[in-house]
Parts: sequence; structure tokens; C-alpha cells
Amino acid sequence: DGGITQSPKYLFRKEGQNVTLSCEQNLNHDAMYWYRQDPGQGLRLIYYSQIVNDFQKGDIAEGYSVSREKKESFPLTVTSAQKNPTAFYLCASSHGTLAFFGQGTRLTVV
Amino acid sequence: RKEVEQDPGPFNVPEGATVAFNCTYSNSASQSFFWYRQDCRKEPKLLMSVYSSGNEDGRFTAQLNRASQYISLLIRDSKLSDSATYLCVVKRGPEGSYIPTFGRGTSLIVHP
Repeated sequence: DGGITQSPKYLFRKEGQNVTLSCEQNLNHDAMYWYRQDPGQGLRLIYYSQIVNDFQKGDIAEGYSVSREKKESFPLTVTSAQKNPTAFYLCASSHGTLAFFGQGTRLTVV
Repeated sequence: RKEVEQDPGPFNVPEGATVAFNCTYSNSASQSFFWYRQDCRKEPKLLMSVYSSGNEDGRFTAQLNRASQYISLLIRDSKLSDSATYLCVVKRGPEGSYIPTFGRGTSLIVHP
């Protein structure tokens, strides 16, 4: 089945630790995106990539890093510099104008 | 001013009611517009695209008003299963790119 897979679904992190969220797609989409959603809030753009080996900062990139070494994969690292990392993280990909989402990773800092 | 603005609601309506949401956008160069539906603790899913001529999909009708820079979603004969958050999405970025920009969503609660 074609789609976007995010893992893990739930993730717990201790303060001061880096953690990497996985996003894989087999839709052959060029563009991929990472968003963060806080309770009662909309989606805010963290990073995006229009093509392999290239990515751009979104609106809230501080404390995050990404890589795009393969078309299928766009992992997001939440670093210890991110002051308030507890949130719902959504990865999306698009071809043309339609965007499709993975099921999300719920990150909690303990 | 935020790029995409929506009334967060909640809109609390009885089954069978007609309800409408609006969404305004600030960038007049925006090209593409969509409504997504998001259920609690789930990912957003595409509900429908929005075209200048307006478009309808069953009980759902979407309209675009470029002059006033808003899009709307009309839901007729509301069902309990329509309860969700409806996200307005606008394309921004230079030609050839597509960066989905989201409003914060409008919450709809349909009650018996």
C-alpha cells in the first residue's frame, strides 16, 4: 500500500536528550514537510524539502534539524535546544498541490 | 496578521442543521485552497479542494472569493459523524513550489 509512515506513534524523551522522528513515504513525492501541532492549535511548519539533498527552514525551525538524503525519507531530530518539545508531530508529502499526512508522532518530554 | 485565519468555534449544531465556516487568507498571490478534516488525535485528511467556480461534494460545498480573500465550507444536513475540526489550507510560496499553510481549525460538534 502506498502512503506515509511515521514512527514511533508515541515517544517519550528525557529533558536534555535528542530524539529522531522517522518519516518514510513510498508515493514517489518530491516534497516533504514537518509540522508541529499543539493542543487547540493549527499546524506550524518546522522544515520542508522540495527535493532530495535540499531543505528549508519553516516558521519554527529553532531546536530542530532534518536531512533529506533519500527521496523516501525525511527524518526530524528534536534537539535539546528545543525548549518546549512536547507536541504532536506530523509529516506530510506532496506532488503538485495535494498534501498527504502520516499518522503522526506524539512526543512527550518527561 | 496571520496568513490563514479561522474562527476556532466550537460550532455546536443539531443533526440535520446547515453550518458554514469561513477562512480568510492574507497573501493575495495564494494559488490553491483546500479544506482538511482532522479527527481528535489523528492526522488531517483532505476533504476537498476549493475552486474559483465553487465545488460541491455531496453535502459539502466549498467556495472561493478572491476579491475578499476568503474561502468557505458549507455542510448541509449535518451528521453526528461530521463532528471534527475543519482546517483551511492555503498554498503559499513561489510558482512551482507548494507549502501548505494551515489555519488553526474550526471545531464542529454535531449533537443528537
